[in-house]
Amino acid sequence: GDSVTQMEGPVTLSEEAFLTINCTYTATGYPSLFWYVQYPGEGLQLLLKATKADDKGSNKGFEATYRKETTSFHLEKGSVQVSDSAVYFCALSDQGGRRALTFGSGTRLQVQP
Amino acid sequence: GAGVSQSPSNKVTEKGKDVELRCDPISGHTALYWYRQSLGQGLEFLIYFQGNSAPDKSGLPSDRFSAERTGGSVSTLTIQRTQQEDSAVYLCASSPGVGSNGELFFGEGSRLTVL
Repeated sequence: GDSVTQMEGPVTLSEEAFLTINCTYTATGYPSLFWYVQYPGEGLQLLLKATKADDKGSNKGFEATYRKETTSFHLEKGSVQVSDSAVYFCALSDQGGRRALTFGSGTRLQVQP
Repeated sequence: GAGVSQSPSNKVTEKGKDVELRCDPISGHTALYWYRQSLGQGLEFLIYFQGNSAPDKSGLPSDRFSAERTGGSVSTLTIQRTQQEDSAVYLCASSPGVGSNGELFFGEGSRLTVL
């Protein structure tokens, strides 16, 4: 079945540091890939997505590139801020979106001033 | 309201009691999902409703769990004879349905504590 594997957290960084959160997946067919973010006390919200190989999703300074050859969708940001502290979830949607999303276990990011 | 609404936000119950959790999706969204988020764990899929199709119940962990969606809108997740391992945050999400490229809109969750 489909699965998503994320690096374990917490990830602790100083403000303005470079961020990478690794995500790899297993799926049949050609999934769409997502990063969701959960800020403290809030519900999950979509951060970015990519629907086909080599697509790059980007939002709020975050980027992730859909790499079919390595089945990866790593999240990156060049300079993190304290306000980026949250839990980040990688997810995939298979079968043309006719099934529920499969999520990774989440990675907590803590950014210190 | 504009977003997905869940109630109650917090529920404390005793082992063996039944609980009902409610989800009011975004108006017009045909797809509705329930997930469970346990402490330190990721999101565990429970059940998925899409329009008038039979729901995908493949994620329900036991027959103590059930869900219904009335009139294609509000959904209720019922847990019978609750156990301590049922303690978690239960998340509801909705989406416009097939072809929406998978973006889900989540509520803030219902935190269930079973004593």
